[in-house]
Order: sequence, then C-alpha cells, then structure tokens
Amino acid sequence: GQQVMQIPQYQHVQEGEDFTTYCNSSTTLSNIQWYKQRPGGHPVFLIQLVKSGEVKKQKRLTFQFGEAKKNSSLHITATQTTDVGTYFCAGYTGTASKLTFGTGTRLQVTL
Amino acid sequence: NAGVTQTPKFRVLKTGQSMTLLCAQDMNHEYMYWYRQDPGMGLRLIHYSVGEGTTAKGEVPDGYNVSRLKKQNFLLGLESAAPSQTSVYFCASSRTSGSFQETQYFGPGTRLLVL
Repeated sequence: GQQVMQIPQYQHVQEGEDFTTYCNSSTTLSNIQWYKQRPGGHPVFLIQLVKSGEVKKQKRLTFQFGEAKKNSSLHITATQTTDVGTYFCAGYTGTASKLTFGTGTRLQVTL
Repeated sequence: NAGVTQTPKFRVLKTGQSMTLLCAQDMNHEYMYWYRQDPGMGLRLIHYSVGEGTTAKGEVPDGYNVSRLKKQNFLLGLESAAPSQTSVYFCASSRTSGSFQETQYFGPGTRLLVL
C-alpha cells in the first residue's frame, strides 16, 4: 500500500533558527496537505498543494510540492516557540477518498 | 458551529470490555473518518464513510466496527477491548471530494486506556 515517510522524526532548534521537514511518498500524489498538531491537541490544516512544483508561503512557512508529485517539504524561517508541535504531511492518490498521513516531524523550539 | 466533537474525552477499559466512541459534526460534511494515533506511528486510518449508511475499511480496521446511521454522526465500536487498542482516537470530517480532495477537520480526540 501507499506509504508516506517524513524526516526527521524529531528536531530541536534554538529560537530564531530555521527548520525543514521532508515528506516522501512511495506513489504519485494528486495533492498534498500539511497539518500541525500542538502538544495535546488535534491536527489542524495548514495548506494544500496541488500542482507539480508548486510553492506556497504563509508568513514564515514555505511549502513546496515536488516536480514528480512524490515529495514535499515545509520550511520554517526563524522559528518561534509558537511553532512547537508535530507537522504532518498527508496525501491523496488519484480519486481516493482517504488521506495517507506521513509519520510526522516533532519540532521543539527553545529560547 | 461546534465543528467536530467527540465523546468521551477519556476512558479506561478493562480487557474484554466493549465501548462506543461517538463523533458528531455540524458542518454537513459527507465524509467522516476514524484514526488512531500512537507514538511514532502518525495517524492511521481505521474506518471511514463517504456518506450516510456507508462504511469502508481503512488501514487498521481489525477489532473495530463503525456505523453511520445519520449523516452527522459516526460511531466507532470496540467489541472486546485489548491493551493494543490503547491509543488516542481522532475523528475527522470533510466535504465531498469529487475530483478535488478537501481538507479534513479533526475532533479533539478520545484518549483510551485498556488495562
């Protein structure tokens, strides 16, 4: 079945440092979504990418979808303590009605 | 709008007991999902529904049953709980996908401990 892996599993940064998480799918995705889950909370939708090579920005967050639509990345510039949480990518294949979630990257930010 | 709600928030069961987790959404969404989240495993799909009266198996359906008798509710049942079912359970819903998949809205989760 489809597998979606994320690296790294965990990253600890000092506030102000940059952070990147990478998402790789074993199959081509029709689109990819990113979610953030704060400690003790539930996943919350951040963004969706649909087109090959697409890049979207949300303030300090930059999202990319690979040319082959099998990988994606999330880059956070100048991290803040409010960025703490686990970031998940999730992808749909074809007309499937179910998302496959990545394994997640847990980000810890300290002052 | 309350969005997606889940009851109960926390439950402790003994091995072999049964229980039902309730998910309700007030967004008139067609699609509903049940996930479990375990440390280091991400979110794994248990069962899902693409409309009232329909259900389908996800990635890890064994030991669980579901029902979608009303559009706004999606029930997850454990007939005979096992310690391996200790987890955090999330319900989610989304609008009809059609040719373009929609974002999923998650409930707050149910923490289940099976002793």
